[in-house]
Amino acid sequence: NAGVTQTPKFQVLKTGQSMTLQCAQDMNHEYMSWYRQDPGMGLRLIHYSVGAGITDQGEVPNGYNVSRSTTEDFPLRLLSAAPSQTSVYFCASSYSGQGHQPQHFGDGTRLSIL
Amino acid sequence: QQPVQSPQAVILREGEDAVINCSSSKALYSVHWYRQKHGEAPVFLMILLKGGEQKGHDKISASFNEKKQQSSLYLTASQLSYSGTYFCGTRAGGTSYGKLTFGQGTILTVHP
Repeated sequence: NAGVTQTPKFQVLKTGQSMTLQCAQDMNHEYMSWYRQDPGMGLRLIHYSVGAGITDQGEVPNGYNVSRSTTEDFPLRLLSAAPSQTSVYFCASSYSGQGHQPQHFGDGTRLSIL
Repeated sequence: QQPVQSPQAVILREGEDAVINCSSSKALYSVHWYRQKHGEAPVFLMILLKGGEQKGHDKISASFNEKKQQSSLYLTASQLSYSGTYFCGTRAGGTSYGKLTFGQGTILTVHP
């Protein structure tokens, strides 16, 4: 049982490049989400999904796209990377359970935009 | 809107106690607490649902004051392993699948 798996663990991009951060979970969780973590800002929600085919925006969605074609996968796409998107990105998943359920986090992707 | 945590940082000696507060301007359905060690992912500690319940987890407990929309995390007889950043996450009322919004974190350092 791997839990939540994020790839890659580290990535360096040039301004304007695009890339996809991968997130997969094997716990059959309905709810998945992406956060970015910057010093002093805590964890800020980018996008989230309550099930396959359903996604919605969080607090800081600009510059990011998501899709949820399967229960297991929830990739995050950076359309045109900007230095302001340098951050640590965490994917998390949980059962939907009306807010009762803990979120399980992946190990994070450390992304630098030059 | 992010919940507000206080204090921003706490420094303790082993065996001392600490309280971390989390306040929201919105009506809350639940409050989550997580701890994050440097360079690692956040790890779940506990969830509190509206109703003012208090939960415990070893020497770490928490309460949820629904009227004040505030939760407090209590760490008693602190150990070196308690060091890390503590985050509260809040879910606003009215939705079953509401967004979980995190505070900015409280850095706890425990010295021998």
